[in-house]
Amino acid sequence: AQSVTQPDIHITVSEGASLELRCNYSYGATPYLFWYVQSPGQGLQLLLKYFSGDTLVQGIKGFEAEFKRSQSSFNLRKPSVHWSDAAEYFCAVGAGENNNDMRFGAGTRLTVKP
Amino acid sequence: GAVVSQHPSRVICKSGTSVKIECRSLDFQATTMFWYRQFPKQSLMLMATSNEGSKATYEQGVEKDKFLINHASLTLSTLTVTSAHPEDSSFYICSARWRGTDTQYFGPGTRLTVL
Repeated sequence: AQSVTQPDIHITVSEGASLELRCNYSYGATPYLFWYVQSPGQGLQLLLKYFSGDTLVQGIKGFEAEFKRSQSSFNLRKPSVHWSDAAEYFCAVGAGENNNDMRFGAGTRLTVKP
Repeated sequence: GAVVSQHPSRVICKSGTSVKIECRSLDFQATTMFWYRQFPKQSLMLMATSNEGSKATYEQGVEKDKFLINHASLTLSTLTVTSAHPEDSSFYICSARWRGTDTQYFGPGTRLTVL
């Protein structure tokens, strides 16, 4: 079965600094990869997804992620973090018919310092 | 587009009672809906998958008689926690997708507290 590892439980960055959140996956076939963001007490909002094609994926809110098959990684990046980006970020890998079997990483909590 | 709502957002109930949570797709027909459970500071765990008009498929370890799922229409799924106990307290999140897409869209979640 597929699995996702987010090595960083908590990251703190200063506002305006760049951000990279790590995600490593394990899956035997070509993965369907997602990044979601969750604000406190809220559901998940899709930031971006990768199914195939260009390995650099652009998402909403200025986020991007790069799929690297050789490293089994799908790291999320943003060049300049805003205070409103403080939230929990989840990487997920989908499998099965229409990605019905979705597995999430443990999440990375982002704190933004003023 | 692709908006999913949940009701209620928060519910407190007494131990032994049943609680129903609704999940609605507001602007698309949700052929498949999913129910997840999230413990504090943890990730989402899939509980069950339901296709419209069919019985839900439960993940291993999830009691189907305790967590009743109904997906009677293309815009509504309900999760009923029967005979709730304090250990059922959690954040329940639904998601939905329409036929032909591989992406799930999530609701805002429901915080259940069982006293």
